[in-house]
Order: sequence, then structure tokens, then C-alpha cells
Amino acid sequence: AQSVTQLGSHVSVSEGALVLLRCNYSSSVPPYLFWYVQYPNQGLQLLLKYTSAATLVKGINGFEAEFKKSETSFHLTKPSAHMSDAAEYFCAVSQKGGSQGNLIFGKGTKLSVKP
Amino acid sequence: DAEITQSPRHKITETGRQVTLACHQTWNHNNMFWYRQDLGHGLRLIHYSYGVQDTNKGEVSDGYSVSRSNTEDLPLTLESAASSQTSVYFCASSELAGALTDTQYFGPGTRLTVL
Repeated sequence: AQSVTQLGSHVSVSEGALVLLRCNYSSSVPPYLFWYVQYPNQGLQLLLKYTSAATLVKGINGFEAEFKKSETSFHLTKPSAHMSDAAEYFCAVSQKGGSQGNLIFGKGTKLSVKP
Repeated sequence: DAEITQSPRHKITETGRQVTLACHQTWNHNNMFWYRQDLGHGLRLIHYSYGVQDTNKGEVSDGYSVSRSNTEDLPLTLESAASSQTSVYFCASSELAGALTDTQYFGPGTRLTVL
């Protein structure tokens, strides 16, 4: 069965610093991977997704993620953090049906941005 | 603009009462999902539907039921509310049945407290 692990439930960076949020996946087949963001008191929205085309995927708000098969990773990065990036970020892998439905989510990483 | 809405946004109820949470989407999507979000657990799937009259159990379906009588709505019913069901509930929808690269669109959430 597929799974994702997000390292670090909380990450704190200074404004202008690099953002790196880690996600590792476990999958017996080539995975499709997603990053979602949840701003306070809101639902989740898609940041970006990997669908086996380019391994470097660019998303909204300056975020990008690189699929590395050899490391089973899909880490999310942004060169320069902004205060508005403070949110919770979820990595997810998709699978076909089953009791977990289409998407299996990691437990999330809360990003804090210090002025 | 197409959207997905949930009501109520906040609900307080008592143990043993039946509660129904509404989810309505105007995307005309085939697939609809209910998740609960709890600290330390991320998002867990409760039930999902791939179309009218279709419903499937997720990993935490005990004590919950859904029915899909039309494309737009997937109400979630708690048959006899328990304190363990205090949570934030999210509804989501996606367009394509069985498409592993499909994006899920999330509602704003319902915060349910069971006293």
C-alpha cells in the first residue's frame, strides 16, 4: 500500500529564508504525488502535482517540488519565504480506490514564518 | 464560479444525537469525498462516492453514513454522535472517476463539537 511521511510536524523559517518541507513516499508502482496547502480556517487547495512528466514541478505562489525516484522523495521548496506562506502543508500520494480512496495524505507540516 | 460549500460551518451537539453535515458542489464532479481532520492524524477518509447511488467506506467509516441521490450533494450523517467524533470535517470533489492525477477541490470545513 502507498504511504507518505512528512518529516517535521513544525518548521519555522525567517522571512526571506529558504523553505524546505520534506516528503517521502512508499509505493510499489510509479506514484502520482501532490502538495496541498491549508491556510488557517480554510480548506485545502492544490499547490502542485507530479504526474510523471517533468520531475521538477512548479506550483502556485513560487513553490516547486522535485520528484527523486532514487530517494523516494518529493520535497517542497521556495527560495524566499513570505509571511503569507504561514500555513499547514500536506503531501499526498494517489492510489486507485480501496478504503483510503484516491488520496493518502501525510500528517502535515505547519510552517511558521518569522518577521 | 463553481464552488464547493459546506453547512453548517460550526455545530455543537450532544452525545447520542443524529447530526447531518451538508456538502454541495457546483463543479458537476462525479467524485465526492468526506474527510475528518484531527491533530496528529492529518486527514482521514470517512466515505466517498464515484457517482449517483454509489457510496464506499473509507478507513474511518464506523458511526457515519452517506447517500448520493444527485451529482451535487453528499450529506454526511452521524447516526449517534460520540465525543470521539469531535473534529473538523472536510468535503472534497474531483472530476474524473479513477483518474490518479485528478485534483481534489475542498470545501471550507465544518467544525463539529460533540458534548
